[in-house]
Amino acid sequence: DAGITQSPRHKVTETGTPVTLRCHQTENHRYMYWYRQDPGHGLRLIHYSYGVKDTDKGEVSDGYSVSRSKTEDFLLTLESATSSQTSVYFCAIMEGNTGELFFGEGSRLTVL
Amino acid sequence: DQQVKQNSPSLSVQEGRISILNCDYTNSMFDYFLWYKKYPAEGPTFLISISSIKDKNEDGRFTVFLNKSAKHLSLHIVPSQPGDSAVYFCAVSGSARQLTFGSGTQLTVLP
Repeated sequence: DAGITQSPRHKVTETGTPVTLRCHQTENHRYMYWYRQDPGHGLRLIHYSYGVKDTDKGEVSDGYSVSRSKTEDFLLTLESATSSQTSVYFCAIMEGNTGELFFGEGSRLTVL
Repeated sequence: DQQVKQNSPSLSVQEGRISILNCDYTNSMFDYFLWYKKYPAEGPTFLISISSIKDKNEDGRFTVFLNKSAKHLSLHIVPSQPGDSAVYFCAVSGSARQLTFGSGTQLTVLP
């Protein structure tokens, strides 16, 4: 158990509203990631962090921002949600040097 | 341009038989190759990995094969069990500490 908690687990919102998803870890890992999962696309990297206040863009970063003010928390923000951002969002941490990720249970977001 | 491709969206296998899941990649510079399993309403879980310097890694019923010349990765499950029914994602990792995933293959093991 990598001690990853995502909140909220489910959210329904309307187009144009801001949304923030939170990822919390208890084991002081340096690397944290946000992925989205969509049918036919697998898991796509949105943003990742390699330390406090150190973040970088992934493959599908448009429309998303992130912040990491503490080691244990990595926030994903949709400034103005769109229907194309309806998805399941997964947070992950990396252990070791072999690329092994441990994932949270996911946050299902529906944008109407 | 997809760096990792899983060309079979689904696979059905009889219980007790072998399941073979395939994955192709485009970049020779990846260091590690991984397989993840995902059940509905849960996060993906790590299954098995292989370093680029090896061509086979085994863990119980699961074996991963790496063919670097063909840029091809495969996962063998023997014998397959109904509890193995899940979506399987292959992933590749390079020096940037980022994982790139394939689109997934839904494995159904029939009792």
